[in-house]
Amino acid sequence: QVQVVQSGAEVKIPGASVKVSCRAPGHTFTNYGVTWVRQAPGQGLESMGWISGYNGDTYYPQKFQGRVTMTTDTSTSTAYMELTGLGSDDTAVYYCARMGLGVTHDAFDIWGQGTMVTVSS
Amino acid sequence: QSALTQPASVSGSPGQSITISCTGTNTDVGGYDYVAWYQHHPGKAPKLLIYDVSNRPSGISDRFSGSKSGNTASLTISGLQADDEADYYCSSYTSFSLYVFGTGTKVTVL
Repeated sequence: QVQVVQSGAEVKIPGASVKVSCRAPGHTFTNYGVTWVRQAPGQGLESMGWISGYNGDTYYPQKFQGRVTMTTDTSTSTAYMELTGLGSDDTAVYYCARMGLGVTHDAFDIWGQGTMVTVSS
Repeated sequence: QSALTQPASVSGSPGQSITISCTGTNTDVGGYDYVAWYQHHPGKAPKLLIYDVSNRPSGISDRFSGSKSGNTASLTISGLQADDEADYYCSSYTSFSLYVFGTGTKVTVL
């Protein structure tokens, strides 16, 4: 059973950046696409974009364009999501997930445990 | 890119069947057979229930089934159980090469 492990909780001040990591020990996690999803307190799931496991291309919604960067390190099979210019509305649990099922690997089949990011002065 | 529309809440008694709808447009739900459904218990990671409209991953009960007609996808839970009480989200691939989630539905088992 593949398990995905994310980095620990973060507390940041407004304007700072955060970088969250995601890996699956013993599994070539980054051979698949990886997506990042967040959930703010009391809110629903929100897609932040994804990175292709085939060629490393990234796809970000307009809302996050210019603020988010998704990368992978194939040598350690680790995926990263960096979000800059943090504001209080970025306080959320951030999840990574493997895009491993479906005709075009479009379904998020294995999820990390989530990383709580708190933005507060 | 707007979230897909789901009912805020659906409830049912143990053993009953319930259906959750997920309405989008022809640039997402209606344009592709890449609709997925996720179950989310608070404090836990979301769990994939259905992918590509109607397929179940290994280990998912056949009490969960999915379908689609036009711009609306549906998740049916039959034989409702207490552990089915959770939040449910649909997701679809879009014409922008992105994914969009639904607004989420809270399922209550009476």
